Amino acid sequence: DTEVTQTPKHLVMGMTNKKSLKCEQHMGHRAMYWYKQKAKKPPELMFVYSYEKLSINESVPSRFSPECPNSSLLNLHLHALQPEDSALYLCASSQGGSGTDTQYFGPGTRLTVL
Amino acid sequence: GQNIDQPTEMTATEGAIVQINCTYQTSGFNGLFWYQQHAGEAPTFLSYNVLDGLEEKGRFSSFLSRSKGYSYLLLKELQMKDSASYLCAVRARGQNFVFGPGTRLSVLP
Repeated sequence: DTEVTQTPKHLVMGMTNKKSLKCEQHMGHRAMYWYKQKAKKPPELMFVYSYEKLSINESVPSRFSPECPNSSLLNLHLHALQPEDSALYLCASSQGGSGTDTQYFGPGTRLTVL
Repeated sequence: GQNIDQPTEMTATEGAIVQINCTYQTSGFNGLFWYQQHAGEAPTFLSYNVLDGLEEKGRFSSFLSRSKGYSYLLLKELQMKDSASYLCAVRARGQNFVFGPGTRLSVLP
């Protein structure tokens, strides 16, 4: 089973709203990732959690706040977003150790900020 | 820093063979990955190379030359469903993936 699930599939929010994106995997992976992808562009890494600790923050604005409650769950809390934050938000997970450490992606959340 | 380059778009005919190139400059190279992404969907893993040479998986093969900073993805017996973006990603330090710009492949009947 190489499934990563994400909810919701689509989200429309205003600039004053607070919302959260959720990601879950049950593959025993210890590394989880958030990416942002704009249309016709490659995914851009936002955050990496390794063994439930934030290990990489790629200079993401504070209006995006990640949280890793346990090794299977990853959240992205959104507050005071801007219209340019509209994008596909992808979650991925990997074993987190040596070897291929392939990342497996969830289906994404399509976010629209009005 | 890291720099990854791929052709922006390619077109090929159903049943043909197509080669998608990827060149990279990075430090601490720790593997190169190819992903397929259909429009509006998540990337799906295709192949992984860390040593020089060719890796074959069915209709798809991937080649790596570390000394040249070069990889290619070879797709044989093209099918219409192969129309998608193909992303080259390099793992440099730690768990940090860097994706190339992607190549949009259109397969024509």
